[in-house]
Amino acid sequence: DAKTTQPPSMDCAEGRAANLPCNHSTISGNEYVYWYRQIHSQGPQYIIHGLKNNETNEMASLIITEDRKSSTLILPHATLRDTAVYYCIVLSDRGSTLGRLYFGRGTQLTVWP
Amino acid sequence: NAGVTQTPKFRVLKTGQSMTLLCAQDMNHEYMYWYRQDPGMGLRLIHYSVGEGTTAKGEVPDGYNVSRLKKQNFLLGLESAAPSQTSVYFCASRDPQGRDEKLFFGSGTQLSVL
Repeated sequence: DAKTTQPPSMDCAEGRAANLPCNHSTISGNEYVYWYRQIHSQGPQYIIHGLKNNETNEMASLIITEDRKSSTLILPHATLRDTAVYYCIVLSDRGSTLGRLYFGRGTQLTVWP
Repeated sequence: NAGVTQTPKFRVLKTGQSMTLLCAQDMNHEYMYWYRQDPGMGLRLIHYSVGEGTTAKGEVPDGYNVSRLKKQNFLLGLESAAPSQTSVYFCASRDPQGRDEKLFFGSGTQLSVL
């Protein structure tokens, strides 16, 4: 049961910002938004997560709308190595999920030179 | 610090053969997971473990068995492989004491069943 909606693909020029959207209109008050990415032939890699406030780390920024029904992952200066599938995940029943994250099909981001 | 290590990286089986995939983590994580990923699809949870000696079923457990005899190892077994089990298998681990649900993944095992 998909709880998030992401575009299947996006592209971005190297050096520009990549903005990846995610809709999660049924998110509940205690559910977090997580982002992972999967570079071809590798295991998924954690990027960032948030509840309601915007978050930033060394990899990316996460902007969550005030109503929490959507969010945007921002890669400020995309490089060719950022080409990957990006997964937006909303936890169900945090605390009882025991890490059972639901990975949908994600967004294939292609960064071109 | 190797993180999560999966062996083997590639394997080809004939229908009906059995095999075991090994996952080892050196981060002292309590929770471990096995996922499968089919072409163009996301990851689906097969089985998971919340500690040594415990296992539980995920979304797609049929045809697989698991064991967690040691905290650092999580084994995934296929008793009688079927072509439908052709997939890429990923192991992951997590520290339940952490504030978040951050999973650490291995690099995957490509399994083909002919």
